[in-house]
Amino acid sequence: QSALTQPASVSGSPGQSITISCTGTSSDVGGYKYVSWYQQHPGKAPKLMIYEVSNRPSGVSNRFSGSKSGNTASLTISGLQAEDEADYYCSSYTNSNTLVFGGGTKVTVL
Amino acid sequence: QVQLVESGGAVVQPGRSLRLSCAASGFSFSSYGMHWVRQAPGKGLEWVAFISYDGRSKYYADSVKGRFTISRDNSKNTLDLQMSSLRAEDTAVYYCAEDGRPGYGMDVWGQGTTVTVSS
Repeated sequence: QSALTQPASVSGSPGQSITISCTGTSSDVGGYKYVSWYQQHPGKAPKLMIYEVSNRPSGVSNRFSGSKSGNTASLTISGLQAEDEADYYCSSYTNSNTLVFGGGTKVTVL
Repeated sequence: QVQLVESGGAVVQPGRSLRLSCAASGFSFSSYGMHWVRQAPGKGLEWVAFISYDGRSKYYADSVKGRFTISRDNSKNTLDLQMSSLRAEDTAVYYCAEDGRPGYGMDVWGQGTTVTVSS
């Protein structure tokens, strides 16, 4: 159950687009369409932003989008806004019926 | 509204036991699987355990297998996590979350309860 690999930090200016990668293996990310992304502001509980690789729950801005290629999933935030500054975590279902998270990525809006 | 409220967090000595609870309201609790997820101070999220909607299936992270037990009472809309042989590395905020989306997507979270393991 090794953690998925995410960059520690990503930054961008308001209005720009950024992409966060999430790399796993064929036993998790590559083997299933069950990748989720969570946003967490300091001191708050995580919030689901993307599920099943690219689906957005109702109420989540369409500026957030997800994709996957092979063992790597990605979260793209377009039209970056100050409120997007937060930690982001990917997660994936695994072939052991467990869940694994990424190490987290701190997004900074410059 | 849909709500999960955790309780039971405390300061406990290494090797001791502790039971966390999560009270659910505003949704059909008995229809959903549930998770426990934890976050050590200044660290990332770590999945702990999952229980199916009917309690028949349970899965655990390797780090807690054999020490933690997840359970639920659908008549009371409650989820529990029995933790034993606690270690310093179990110190974390523990969240319960609803398994509301396919593939363990968690779209409802509690506010968390803090467990500190220290002598």
